Formats: sequence, structure tokens, C-alpha cells
Amino acid sequence: DIQMTQSPSSLSASVGDSVTITCRASQTINTYLNWYQQKPGKAPILLIYAASSLQSGVPSRFSGSGSGTSFTLTIRSLQPEDFATYYCLESYSIPYTFGQGTRLEIK
Amino acid sequence: EVQLVESGGGLIQPGGSLRLSCAASGFTVSSNYMNWVRQAPGKGLEWVSIIYRDGTTYYADSVKGRFTISRDNSQNTVFLQMNSLRAEDTAVYYCARRHSSRNAFDIWGRGTMVTVSS
Repeated sequence: DIQMTQSPSSLSASVGDSVTITCRASQTINTYLNWYQQKPGKAPILLIYAASSLQSGVPSRFSGSGSGTSFTLTIRSLQPEDFATYYCLESYSIPYTFGQGTRLEIK
Repeated sequence: EVQLVESGGGLIQPGGSLRLSCAASGFTVSSNYMNWVRQAPGKGLEWVSIIYRDGTTYYADSVKGRFTISRDNSQNTVFLQMNSLRAEDTAVYYCARRHSSRNAFDIWGRGTMVTVSS
């Protein structure tokens, strides 16, 4: 099974800041990497698919990069609605594996 | 409107059984790869099971042999039969569609809560 290591587990930032979240896979997953945002009591929302493609309707301040085993999610110019928990998900092989999550909090 | 609506959750004793339903609208479940994902209280997301378009099914090791995913094409609904439930199965269970070409879970339901406790 593929292991996904996501860091940091939590992050404090201010409105207007830029932040980066990282996911590393235990083996190559090409670009089969997706990023999700989840707010308390709500279902996850797809932000980025195929490592770097922006899901329709998602603001362009969200971007993803990487391939192979190392991936990043960058959020530029943080907005108040961006404070949430973020997860990566590898969809390369079953069992699909999520990262442990990154809680983004307001500083 | 494209959406998924889960139902069937509740409080169940350890060792009991429960069947979750996921009703789809706006698309056909039999033409898609449908998944169940769960989230224990205060914890992260865990993939549980998938049913392919051809009916092939896969499970996480944590539920293999106890859970069964299926679908009813006439109802456009996916099910998760959960047997021999344990306390560690307590979670919100989400139904999610895996987009066929983007290989990502693009549509999610709101989830249904399952609590396993005596």
C-alpha cells in the first residue's frame, strides 16, 4: 500500500499570506494526486486534480504542483474562507490513501 | 443538479449490521466509479470501498470481509452493507464519485453518521 505523508499537520497564517502544504508518497504515483478542502461538519471539496489541474469553480489563488513522489498545494493571498483543513489523496492505486490533513488556522 | 444523498446511519450495538444508501441524481452510478469514504470523529479521511462500472469491488483491509458495496441501477443508488460492526467503525460515511477521466473524487454527499456503541 502507498503511504502519504502530509506536512505540516497545522499551520497558522494571516489573511493575505501565502502558504504551502506538502504531500510525499512512499512510491511514485505519477500525477495521481488530488487536493481537498474540508470545513467542520462539511464534506470535502475537490480543489486540484492530477497534481496541478484546478477544479472548475475553484479560485485561481489555489495551485498545485509536483509529480512522482513529491507534491505541493499553494494558496496565495489567503482569504478568510480559506481557513479549513486540507487533505491530499493519491488515486494511483487501491487502497486509495489520504494524507493526514493540514489544519490551516488564522494567526 | 448533480448530487449524492446518503442515508441509513444511526446508533448500532457492536456486532450489529447496518445498510447505508447513497442516492445519486444528475448522473448514472452504473457509468461511474462509486466510493465510500469515512471520517471518525476528530480524525482524517479514510477510503473504504469502491465499485467499478463493471461491478468489480475493492475494500480497505480494515473492512474487508465485513462490508459489502453494491448498487441498484434501477434506483440509481449505491449501498454499503456493514456487518460485524465495531466501535472503531464509528464515523461519518461519505459517498463520493470518482470522475472517470480526472481520477479524482469530484462529487461528495453530505455524509451519514454511524455510531457503534453499547
